[in-house]
Amino acid sequence: GAVVSQHPSRVICKSGTSVKIECRSLDFQATTMFWYRQFPKQSLMLMATSNEGSKATYEQGVEKDKFLINHASLTLSTLTVTSAHPEDSSFYICSVGKLDNYGYTFGSGTRLTVV
Amino acid sequence: AQSVTQLDSHVSVSEGTPVLLRCNYSSSYSPSLFWYVQHPNKGLQLLLKYTSAATLVKGINGFEAEFKKSETSFHLTKPSAHMSDAAEYFCVVSGDFNKFYFGSGTKLNVKP
Repeated sequence: GAVVSQHPSRVICKSGTSVKIECRSLDFQATTMFWYRQFPKQSLMLMATSNEGSKATYEQGVEKDKFLINHASLTLSTLTVTSAHPEDSSFYICSVGKLDNYGYTFGSGTRLTVV
Repeated sequence: AQSVTQLDSHVSVSEGTPVLLRCNYSSSYSPSLFWYVQHPNKGLQLLLKYTSAATLVKGINGFEAEFKKSETSFHLTKPSAHMSDAAEYFCVVSGDFNKFYFGSGTKLNVKP
């Protein structure tokens, strides 16, 4: 099945700095990837759809200038949290646009803590 | 539009007793439905999925779910809970372009 690698698994950064999270599709050429965010004790919410070679599409209420998405190749999408603030602390998880019998379409997630 | 409602935020069962996690969905067309499990500080693991084939779907670790169109439900069950089943469970419906819409999650606690 599709294998997705997400890096880093955990990151702590200072308020005001930027953090880049990588999502790699290891065995599938993903024209589409998705980014989700999970706040503590809440469910996962879709943030944006990452489209290879074109602009990402953002869900309502998600600031595109704050959460920069780049999908320059069929195997890599990056999410950059710019000028991070403590309220951006969350669990970010990516998914490739492929459903298969194994269902391993999600990355393992990145726990971001902004201090 | 697609949405999912998980009716219980917390469920507590004793080890060896049955598990029932409830999920109702709303979809403008025939949906694909999934149950995922998330252990603490871990990613998501697929338990099972329904994609318009058999309405009773068997998944991993003894879990199964039944798609009931008339009730718009997709409840997750397991005959006998194990301590390792303690985790958070998400009911998910897929929408256009493989977007996933997650329920609010149900935390399963298994007592010895």
